[in-house]
Amino acid sequence: DVKVTQSSRYLVKRTGEKVFLECVQDMDHENMFWYRQDPGLGLRLIYFSYDVKMKEKGDIPEGYSVSREKKERFSLILESASTNQTSMYLCASSSTGTKYNEQFFGPGTRLTVL
Amino acid sequence: AQSVTQLDSQVPVFEEAPVELRCNYSSSVSVYLFWYVQYPNQGLQLLLKYLSGSTLVKGINGFEAEFNKSQTSFHLRKPSVHISDTAEYFCAVSDQGGSEKLVFGKGTKLTVNP
Repeated sequence: DVKVTQSSRYLVKRTGEKVFLECVQDMDHENMFWYRQDPGLGLRLIYFSYDVKMKEKGDIPEGYSVSREKKERFSLILESASTNQTSMYLCASSSTGTKYNEQFFGPGTRLTVL
Repeated sequence: AQSVTQLDSQVPVFEEAPVELRCNYSSSVSVYLFWYVQYPNQGLQLLLKYLSGSTLVKGINGFEAEFNKSQTSFHLRKPSVHISDTAEYFCAVSDQGGSEKLVFGKGTKLTVNP
């Protein structure tokens, strides 16, 4: 069964802290994605990666960076957390081989920045 | 550029009533279409997808959707809803042969009341 896991379900951090959100998939997928989800705004793409060490900015990359050193792992980094980054963060992965880009999602990390 | 419009942000219904959640998309090329469901405090789960062929697609939990190319719509329906269908529903589109990304609508929150 396909599985995407995220390191934390709930996280509370202070303004200015460096925050790492980790995502791991066990499906050997080439593509991985980070979204943030806010009420009324739906899912917005922050970054995605189509291969190890490769990344592409999404719609809202400001204030975030990413790292993909291994195929199965994709990390989202908040260099200096701010209160407006309080949100639900969702990781997803997909296979290039399927053509139709179905994405598989993790359970999400609800981040609160105080 | 592609876009997805979910016409209703909230849909309240009574248990055992029928429901339709509306989704319209814009794209200049052929597309693949998806409906995802998100139960409270969980990630997104695929409900159904349209890839090609029959325009009526059946998914999990008794849901179905109809692809209408002339109206660029992909509305989701269920003839009789249960309390357990209370969730947020997202419509998404991707290009055939294009980017690996999905474009999501802003979501429709379905609330089923007893």
